[in-house]
Amino acid sequence: GQQVMQIPQYQHVQEGEDFTTYCNSSTTLSNIQWYKQRPGGHPVFLIQLVKSGEVKKQKRLTFQFGEAKKNSSLHITATQTTDVGTYFCAGFGGGTSYGKLTFGQGTILTVHP
Amino acid sequence: GAGVSQSPSNKVTEKGKDVELRCDPISGHTALYWYRQSLGQGLEFLIYFQGNSAPDKSGLPSDRFSAERTGGSVSTLTIQRTQQEDSAVYLCASTLLGRGQSPLHFGNGTRLTVT
Repeated sequence: GQQVMQIPQYQHVQEGEDFTTYCNSSTTLSNIQWYKQRPGGHPVFLIQLVKSGEVKKQKRLTFQFGEAKKNSSLHITATQTTDVGTYFCAGFGGGTSYGKLTFGQGTILTVHP
Repeated sequence: GAGVSQSPSNKVTEKGKDVELRCDPISGHTALYWYRQSLGQGLEFLIYFQGNSAPDKSGLPSDRFSAERTGGSVSTLTIQRTQQEDSAVYLCASTLLGRGQSPLHFGNGTRLTVT
């Protein structure tokens, strides 16, 4: 079945440093979504990417979808303490996958002031 | 309500007992998901509903787990003869469209502890 791998599992940065998390799927994806989960909270939707090679920006966050639609990345420029949390990618395989969204294991980001 | 509502928020049960978890999705959302999250872990897919039907039950860990959705709205996840390994946070999410086309809106989850 479809698997979504996410690396790294943990990332510790100093405030102001950049951060990147990578997501790789075992199969071609129809689309990919990114979520952020604050400590003690539930996942909150950030963005959806649909097109091959798509790049989207939200302030200091840059999201990319690979040309082959099998990988994606989230890059945060100049991290702030408010960026702390776990970042998940979630892939939809399309076709006979019906509506199943498979989540990666997440990257836990810690930001030291 | 404004968001996805789950109840109870916390449930402590003895091994071997049955539990029922409830999810009230956002009104008008056609698709509903159940995920399980163990401490510090990712989200494990359990089941997906489109309307009242469940085209994908592939994530249910065993036949002790079942779920239903009635009236295209409320969903219940039932775990029979609970085991300690069932301890986790059970998250429900609803979305306007199926097939991954729209964002998932998550509830706050039910924290299940099996003693």
